Amino acid sequence: DQQVKQNSPSLSVQEGRISILNCDYTNSMFDYFLWYKKYPAEGPTFLISISSIKDKNEDGRFTVFLNKSAKHLSLHIVPSQPGDSAVYFCAASEKTGANNLFFGTGTRLTVIP
Amino acid sequence: NAGVTQTPKFRILKIGQSMTLQCTQDMNHNYMYWYRQDPGMGLKLIYYSVGAGITDKGEVPNGYNVSRSTTEDFPLRLELAAPSQTSVYFCASRDPGAGTEAFFGQGTRLTVV
Repeated sequence: DQQVKQNSPSLSVQEGRISILNCDYTNSMFDYFLWYKKYPAEGPTFLISISSIKDKNEDGRFTVFLNKSAKHLSLHIVPSQPGDSAVYFCAASEKTGANNLFFGTGTRLTVIP
Repeated sequence: NAGVTQTPKFRILKIGQSMTLQCTQDMNHNYMYWYRQDPGMGLKLIYYSVGAGITDKGEVPNGYNVSRSTTEDFPLRLELAAPSQTSVYFCASRDPGAGTEAFFGQGTRLTVV
């Protein structure tokens, strides 16, 4: 049972435009959300995160929005650059236990020069 | 700073063989994890450990074993390899508590033929 879902397997965006990647979750106990970026033949690298007590977190070109009532979060990249082309994974964890991360299936972003 | 190091990077196994995937981290993180990623899928948790001497099953533990004798090392053992275990394996480590990201190794690509 997939607790974190990314329903768009791929997204193509022109360089300089905004990229919006979406993620939905089903577990109301999740209280911390993360986005990871993954290049081929490399491990995922942490990009940005948000706690459930916030609805927005910004870091340079990257902003994550959280809508708890809809159990939805999104990652905005503005402006998009060709180097942003990668697979983006959404992940979530609960406050208790070993804080295991539950991952979505990923969205492959292609930024077209 | 090496972070999380996995060996080997690639391996081909025959059905029924066994092997150990090595993982070591130099960040003194108590929490360590093993994930597998199948094509087009997200990362699935195999086993995790919250400290030396403590391990527990994740979502997909069948066919695997782990041990955690030191804080630094968290090897994953495959006994009687099967084609269904063909996957990319990622080891990760994390500080305890909520609000922290996991750091991943570069992965081990395993093919069982």
